[in-house]
Amino acid sequence: DTAVSQTPKYLVTQMGNDKSIKCEQNLGHDTMYWYKQDSKKFLKIMFSYNNKELIINETVPNRFSPKSPDKAHLNLHINSLELGDSAVYFCASSQGGFRTGLVQPQHFGDGTRLSIL
Amino acid sequence: QQPVQSPQAVILREGEDAVINCSSSKALYSVHWYRQKHGEAPVFLMILLKGGEQKGHEKISASFNEKKQQSSLYLTASQLSYSGTYFCGTGGAGGTSYGKLTFGQGTILTVHP
Repeated sequence: DTAVSQTPKYLVTQMGNDKSIKCEQNLGHDTMYWYKQDSKKFLKIMFSYNNKELIINETVPNRFSPKSPDKAHLNLHINSLELGDSAVYFCASSQGGFRTGLVQPQHFGDGTRLSIL
Repeated sequence: QQPVQSPQAVILREGEDAVINCSSSKALYSVHWYRQKHGEAPVFLMILLKGGEQKGHEKISASFNEKKQQSSLYLTASQLSYSGTYFCGTGGAGGTSYGKLTFGQGTILTVHP
């Protein structure tokens, strides 16, 4: 069984369009994350949710809006896509530790490869 | 602030050893190590929590020097399956680092037969 699953795996679209990426985890974790990995492989945190509550919101354009309907799901909606949004977006999850400031081991999904034409 | 990894790339023959270093300019609370194979997701290897702690995972081990704000990953008797990009992730003790993992730029490890 897949632990962290993302859909779609590939997303090719045109500038200006709006798209969503979905993520689900079946590990029973209470914290979920979105990361962006650019062409130079730099992996950067975008958002983090703990029990449906937004806890980390990095300097990300407000065209990006995460939503967590429950602690097993974290979706990412992107409005008015731009060329610079082309990247691989990874969803990840971990269990606990947030309240102590300790980041627990993270389990990553397979990524969504977003290409903007 | 992003931790700095060195070297940027390593090329080995099977059976050789390698060391990957991770340095931070900020106080560290924890250090994670992940490996990412081409086209795949990063996979957790180990986490180090205490100064001077050393942990092992098969023939891959790591140390954490809290005072020097550094961690090193040791790969001994490398195998072809060790090829990939290795990332360290550092967790701060508080402030804007609270609950957040900041990754280094990655070290590309290639093992040849």
